[in-house]
Amino acid sequence: DQQVKQNSPSLSVQEGRISILNCDYTNSMFDYFLWYKKYPAEGPTFLISISSIKDKNEDGRFTVFLNKSAKHLSLHIVPSQPGDSAVYFCAASASTGGFKTIFGAGTRLFVKA
Amino acid sequence: GAGVSQSPSNKVTEKGKDVELRCDPISGHTALYWYRQSLGQGLEFLIYFQGNSAPDKSGLPSDRFSAERTGGSVSTLTIQRTQQEDSAVYLCASSLGQGRDEQFFGPGTRLTVL
Repeated sequence: DQQVKQNSPSLSVQEGRISILNCDYTNSMFDYFLWYKKYPAEGPTFLISISSIKDKNEDGRFTVFLNKSAKHLSLHIVPSQPGDSAVYFCAASASTGGFKTIFGAGTRLFVKA
Repeated sequence: GAGVSQSPSNKVTEKGKDVELRCDPISGHTALYWYRQSLGQGLEFLIYFQGNSAPDKSGLPSDRFSAERTGGSVSTLTIQRTQQEDSAVYLCASSLGQGRDEQFFGPGTRLTVL
């Protein structure tokens, strides 16, 4: 049972345009959400997070939106740069679950120059 | 600076053999996680250590898998009687252990079971 779903395995975007990566979750107990970025042959690195008490968090070119009623979150990257090309993982945790983090399958982003 | 390190970086073994994978977390991090990523799949949670609490082993796929964390620092993931389906990248991460803090990942160990 996949509790965190990233239904798009890949996404291709032109440099300078907006990249939108989507994530859906099923567990209503999740109250903290994170995005990680992974380059080949490296471990994932933390990108941005959002608590369930917020619906938006922004950090430079990266913004995460949370829609609790739809159990959906998205990561917006604008403007997209070729160096953003990587696999992006959505992750979620529940404070009642001992903070165990559940990851999605990832979306591979290609930013074309 | 010293991040999370894992060894070996690559391990090729024969089916049925035991393997040990090592993780050195960031100094001072009380939480340590093991994940695996099979080809084309996401990060699958395996086990989570937090301080002196009993580990959360709910993600271990079978009793062939076990993990220890000695002295609250280094962790070893052991896979007994390896099977071909165990082939994956095994990732370790550590965090300050305050619940909402980010996890810092190591580069992973690529395990290939022939």
